[in-house]
Amino acid sequence: AQSVSQHNHHVILSEAASLELGCNYSYGGTVNLFWYVQYPGQHLQLLLKYFSGDPLVKGIKGFEAEFIKSKFSFNLRKPSVQWSDTAEYFCAVRVNQAGTALIFGKGTTLSVSS
Amino acid sequence: ETGVTQSPTHLIKTRGQQVTLRCSSQSGHNTVSWYQQALGQGPQFIFQYYREEENGRGNFPPRFSGLQFPNYSSELNVNALELDDSALYLCASTPGLAGAGEQFFGPGTRLTVL
Repeated sequence: AQSVSQHNHHVILSEAASLELGCNYSYGGTVNLFWYVQYPGQHLQLLLKYFSGDPLVKGIKGFEAEFIKSKFSFNLRKPSVQWSDTAEYFCAVRVNQAGTALIFGKGTTLSVSS
Repeated sequence: ETGVTQSPTHLIKTRGQQVTLRCSSQSGHNTVSWYQQALGQGPQFIFQYYREEENGRGNFPPRFSGLQFPNYSSELNVNALELDDSALYLCASTPGLAGAGEQFFGPGTRLTVL
């Protein structure tokens, strides 16, 4: 069965530090990849997505992610985090041609101290 | 444009009871998916509805059932509630069945089973 692994359960950073959150998936076919964010008390929001083309995708709020097909990875990065980035981050995969259902990782909690 | 809305916000039930959760999809979206998010976990796909028909189901027992109405709103019904059904139930809508669009999530219904 397809699965998504997020390597870091809880990440603690100071403001201005760089961020990288790991995400690996297990599926050999074509996939669509997503990063969602859930700020405290708010609903899930899309940060960025990859469908095809340039493997480096840019999202909202200065986030970017790189799709490395050979490594089945889609890591999320931000050069300089802010206190307002404190949230839970979820990587998700949609196995193409299987409807719109998403397979989510367990999430990474990011805490940024000012 | 109105986003995805869900009701109720919170719900407390006892084991063995039945519950109905409701979702109104975003305007123009004809596909609705339901997810269960247990504490500390990522959302897990329950099922998806497209034009009033179930179109895809995750690994959930038949006591989880749903409906989609002509206006594309949806219900999730859970019979014979178990303690492990305690979770945040998320509804997400998309403008198409297997299109490339993102899923738009509602705020969720927090179900507690005692």
